[in-house]
Amino acid sequence: ETGVTQTPRHLVMGMTNKKSLKCEQHLGHNAMYWYKQSAKKPLELMFVYSLEERVENNSVPSRFSPECPNSSHLFLHLHTLQPEDSALYLCASSQDRSGGHYNEQFFGPGTRLTVL
Amino acid sequence: SQQGEEDPQALSIQEGENATMNCSYKTSINNLQWYRQNSGRGLVHLILIRSNEREKHSGRLRVTLDTSKKSSSLLITASRAADTASYFCDNYGQNFVFGPGTRLSVLP
Repeated sequence: ETGVTQTPRHLVMGMTNKKSLKCEQHLGHNAMYWYKQSAKKPLELMFVYSLEERVENNSVPSRFSPECPNSSHLFLHLHTLQPEDSALYLCASSQDRSGGHYNEQFFGPGTRLTVL
Repeated sequence: SQQGEEDPQALSIQEGENATMNCSYKTSINNLQWYRQNSGRGLVHLILIRSNEREKHSGRLRVTLDTSKKSSSLLITASRAADTASYFCDNYGQNFVFGPGTRLSVLP
């Protein structure tokens, strides 16, 4: 257990569905992240929230919409996804960057998403 | 590219043997972290080596860092079947740019 939980662990959805992924951290961190991991590709950083404000968005399509209501919770809202969006979505948290560098991240177990 | 490159991409060894994997970057290395990921699950932090360190140990893990060559190596000694996983390096502070990883298989 890393102190970061994600729900659901598995999700199958159609291209017209709307669903949300949830991440919760119990570590007292103030930065949270969404990553996408596709088969045979490196981890891709999607969003970074620091002190509940989005600080980075790596050109992610608008069909992915993050929400960070407080420092312990992070959501990823999904709508009109494509089959190529099928992947493992990982959430992580850390203490906000100090001295210009990010601190160690703690990862959740991920949500395995399949888009039909 | 800021992306790290781990090599080999895949490694298969017998239980009890040592496993060595490497990581290199085109950009300078500030501090470097190694992570392990079991199939389809989240990453687990293994070890952090700072830019002013050359070698660090943690249990059966030994990490070296060569900032002049912009590379690091991870050695797992006396491997076990439970070490079977993918291993990633992260150039700490470079906005978490991970490489493709090394997939290690430890055969009983």
